[in-house]
Amino acid sequence: SQTIHQWPATLVQPVGSPLSLECTVEGTSNPNLYWYRQAAGRGLQLLFYSVGIGQISSEVPQNLSASRPQDRQFILSSKKLLLSDSGFYLCAWSVGTQDTQYFGPGTRLTVL
Amino acid sequence: RKEVEQDPGPFNVPEGATVAFNCTYSNSASQSFFWYRQDCRKEPKLLMSVYSSGNEDGRFTAQLNRASQYISLLIRDSKLSDSATYLCVVNRDDKIIFGKGTRLHILP
Repeated sequence: SQTIHQWPATLVQPVGSPLSLECTVEGTSNPNLYWYRQAAGRGLQLLFYSVGIGQISSEVPQNLSASRPQDRQFILSSKKLLLSDSGFYLCAWSVGTQDTQYFGPGTRLTVL
Repeated sequence: RKEVEQDPGPFNVPEGATVAFNCTYSNSASQSFFWYRQDCRKEPKLLMSVYSSGNEDGRFTAQLNRASQYISLLIRDSKLSDSATYLCVVNRDDKIIFGKGTRLHILP
């Protein structure tokens, strides 16, 4: 069966510090991968998605970036965090772009 | 108009009652539809896909009305454990859009 992992589960970072969040998927090959952010009291915002290694599409221009160095690994990064980057970051995978998305447990980021 | 709209609630419903949510979508080319459930401070989890003919899974029934561009979720005999936020999801042209969710509180 397929599983999706994210770490860390929680993170507190100062403004201006770098960020690296990692997501890995097991039990499937060539998944579509997604990064979402959910700010407090708000809906899910799609940040990036990837249909293959090295292929990244950005949905929202901001100070975040994503990379997919391996088939089942998706990384979200920032060089300098802003207060507004606080939120719940969720990674998801799907077989195809029309298919159900399955979410990881998320990383709760607080920028102080 | 937002592409996917949901009543944010909260819906406060006594245990055992029936509750229904609607979700409207603006783009008639939308192709697939889902309901997700999200518990507080947890990730969303798929509740059910929504098929054109309507589908049922135990106490849950989902329906799609393409003419009026909405999907619905009906929960019968509600349980305390049904308390959560229910997210409507619409997929169009390989773009998946989440609604902001409807909060449901089941009252003992």
